[in-house]
Amino acid sequence: QVQLQESGPGLVKPLETLSLTCTVSGVSVSSPTYYWSWIRQPPGKGLEWIGYIYYSGGTNSSPSLKSRVTVSLDTSKNKLSLKLNSVTAADTAVYYCAREKYNGLFDSWGQGTLVTVSS
Amino acid sequence: VMTQSPDSLAVSLGERATINCKSSQSVLYSSNNKNHLAWYQQKPGQPPKLLIYWASTRESGVPDRFSGSGSGTDFTLTISSLQAEDVAVYYCQEYYSSSYTFGQGTKLEIK
Repeated sequence: QVQLQESGPGLVKPLETLSLTCTVSGVSVSSPTYYWSWIRQPPGKGLEWIGYIYYSGGTNSSPSLKSRVTVSLDTSKNKLSLKLNSVTAADTAVYYCAREKYNGLFDSWGQGTLVTVSS
Repeated sequence: VMTQSPDSLAVSLGERATINCKSSQSVLYSSNNKNHLAWYQQKPGQPPKLLIYWASTRESGVPDRFSGSGSGTDFTLTISSLQAEDVAVYYCQEYYSSSYTFGQGTKLEIK
């Protein structure tokens, strides 16, 4: 049974870089069957896809965030990571990692971690 | 853009609940003749849960009171007989484009 768990700082200062990690268990992130994504949800609002990574290292991200987003894999630790630079208060959100069982179809999610951007 | 209606809905226990989702462009992919449209359920304090994909295929373990229909740009999620545990926010999502856009959500409550 796949499990995903996000971790990272809960508070980030404006204009700094948000860095999160997602630890995956129950399946290898090196499996060619799945893509791995980050999705966020501002408090009380809807869901926004951020970006994905494939086992080969190939990535894609939302056009609105592309210039600020880096998604990476650590296959030795079975983890994926997210970096979002130059953050503002608008980046305050619960950040989820998720597995894609088909391109853009999210069948397993982490519990999410709240990141607040504030000085 | 994915637009859901209504934004909120109150239905009596045992009654039918219907949520609509409209896409600004068709999500029917000609190469596989499938609608790239999914529905998710999100309960308070929990991550979203995949309910329906390909517009009408239930995810494993999802009760059969949940059904999806529609094609092209117009889709519907129906809960045939509302149970107390179905109180949640429901999102549609397209996975046709490379932006994987979600609808704004529909909050479902008990009347």
